[in-house]
Amino acid sequence: EDQVTQSPEALRLQEGESSSLNCSYTVSGLRGLFWYRQDPGKGPEFLFTLYSAGEEKEKERLKATLTKKESFLHITAPKPEDSATYLCASYNQGGKLIFGQGTELSVKP
Amino acid sequence: EAQVTQNPRYLITVTGKKLTVTCSQNMNHEYMSWYRQDPGLGLRQIYYSMNVEVTDKGDVPEGYKVSRKEKRNFPLILESPSPNQTSLYFCASSHRGSEQYFGPGTRLTVT
Repeated sequence: EDQVTQSPEALRLQEGESSSLNCSYTVSGLRGLFWYRQDPGKGPEFLFTLYSAGEEKEKERLKATLTKKESFLHITAPKPEDSATYLCASYNQGGKLIFGQGTELSVKP
Repeated sequence: EAQVTQNPRYLITVTGKKLTVTCSQNMNHEYMSWYRQDPGLGLRQIYYSMNVEVTDKGDVPEGYKVSRKEKRNFPLILESPSPNQTSLYFCASSHRGSEQYFGPGTRLTVT
């Protein structure tokens, strides 16, 4: 069964405390692994797309990496404004975008 | 500006009163989709459309209808809303296989 699983469900960090969020997928024929940021009550905002194992992409304090079975979103020296829910998603072979449940990140000053 | 728009943004209605939530995109995307988001349940897909006149059920289609008569528009229709359809709804669009762009959301309350 095509599935995308994120961990942890919630993560609380102190400002400046680096960490990683995990996204594991069991989608056959990977057609891209997508990361989104969602603020409360707002639509998810696209961050990154990764297509092949070993690929990395960076944006400010965020870096996304991809292996054959999982993706990581590394957050370096986070700030309170990085607090949000981070979602990962992948298309299955039928063309449906499957989302994980998300990781709710809270960064305290 | 490239965007997905939804209307209305907020709606309070009563059980059984038909309603339509509109969705429009200006990026010439083939793919459009509707999601609902509920606390603890994440994003769940209601319906999606690969192109004009092509629609298919997502994970939670019961109680909803859609149509795709034009490429830019993908309205969501609730023929007889019930309280369990109280939720936050998102429309999204993309080129096939690419990142989806989401609208701002419609918060629906059915009493």
